[in-house]
Amino acid sequence: DQQVKQNSPSLSVQEGRISILNCDYTNSMFDYFLWYKKYPAEGPTFLISISSIKDKNEDGRFTVFLNKSAKHLSLHIVPSQPGDSAVYFCAASRQTSYDKVIFGPGTSLSVIP
Amino acid sequence: EAQVTQNPRYLITVTGKKLTVTCSQNMNHEYMSWYRQDPGLGLRQIYYSMNVEVTDKGDVPEGYKVSRKEKRNFPLILESPSPNQTSLYFCASSLSGQTYEQYFGPGTRLTVT
Repeated sequence: DQQVKQNSPSLSVQEGRISILNCDYTNSMFDYFLWYKKYPAEGPTFLISISSIKDKNEDGRFTVFLNKSAKHLSLHIVPSQPGDSAVYFCAASRQTSYDKVIFGPGTSLSVIP
Repeated sequence: EAQVTQNPRYLITVTGKKLTVTCSQNMNHEYMSWYRQDPGLGLRQIYYSMNVEVTDKGDVPEGYKVSRKEKRNFPLILESPSPNQTSLYFCASSLSGQTYEQYFGPGTRLTVT
């Protein structure tokens, strides 16, 4: 049973509009969340993270929102650019121990010029 | 240049023939990890290492071995590969633990026939 879910395998957005990628988790022990971006034939690269003591974290065009009660987080990209077209992975872990990192299955984002 | 390198990038082998995928990082990171990526399943952690001589199982460790004799190297060993280990493998490292951003290698595409 997947502990981290990304229920949209793919998403298409017009350039300049907002992209919203969603992630749900089942394990309430998770208290740290990260987003990674992956281009074809490359390894994933870190995008943004959030600790459970916060409900929002921003970095330029990227904002992650965390709703602990719903066990849900979302990544907002505003405005979306063609270079944002990639697979986005949500990941979850626990800060208090060296523990496993659980990744979601990914969402493929296409930004249409 | 700070990087994680993996070798080989592509490998086709036969069932039962032992192989090793090497991973090296030049950032003096404590934490290193191996993942496999499969369609619809995202990235699944195989093994991770908190420091030299300290390793632990991830989500899917069966059929794999690792060692961490030096800080910079973290090889992945398949003693008797089977077709269900055909996958895309990524090595990653981070400064200290899974809640720090992980730097990923370029990936190794393994096919076991």
